[in-house]
Amino acid sequence: DVKVTQSSRYLVKRTGEKVFLECVQDMDHENMFWYRQDPGLGLRLIYFSYDVKMKEKGDIPEGYSVSREKKERFSLILESASTNQTSMYLCASSTPSSTDTQYFGPGTRLTVL
Amino acid sequence: SQKIEQNSEALNIQEGKTATLTCNYTNYSPAYLQWYRQDPGRGPVFLLLIRENEKEKRKERLKVTFDTTLKQSLFHITASQPADSATYLCALDGDNAGNMLTFGGGTRLMVKP
Repeated sequence: DVKVTQSSRYLVKRTGEKVFLECVQDMDHENMFWYRQDPGLGLRLIYFSYDVKMKEKGDIPEGYSVSREKKERFSLILESASTNQTSMYLCASSTPSSTDTQYFGPGTRLTVL
Repeated sequence: SQKIEQNSEALNIQEGKTATLTCNYTNYSPAYLQWYRQDPGRGPVFLLLIRENEKEKRKERLKVTFDTTLKQSLFHITASQPADSATYLCALDGDNAGNMLTFGGGTRLMVKP
């Protein structure tokens, strides 16, 4: 079974702090994704990576950056956390195919005070 | 850009009945459509995929239909159980190059005993 893990289930940070969210997958998937999920807004793609050191902006990349130094690990960075970044953050991975089924991690509930 | 609509109101049904959830989309002709289940505080889990040339797909008590003329997919759970209570998301392959999915906002299903 594919396993996608995220470094924290719950995280509380203060405005202005630099925040790192880590995601690791164990299935050698090329593609990895970061989403945020908010009530009424659904899943919104922040960034996508299709290979080591490669990244593409999603729908809402402002205020975020990402890092993919190893195939299995994809990090989301909030350079200076703000209260409007309080959200559920979900990481996913997939292998390039005709179906692109995504496998999600358990999520990190981030609260920025 | 493509738009996906799922009923944002919760669907409440009695145990044993068939639950039917709807996913409508506009401005796109997807090659396939996927359905995911999401439990509170968890990441989505893939359930079923249906391709544009398939009318219907079944898996145990689940059935998905795909009408490319109506631009609609229906997701059915027969003989529903309280354990089926969750939010169900539909997702379409993106209208851009790459391996991205676009998710609907999800419909919450509540099955009462």
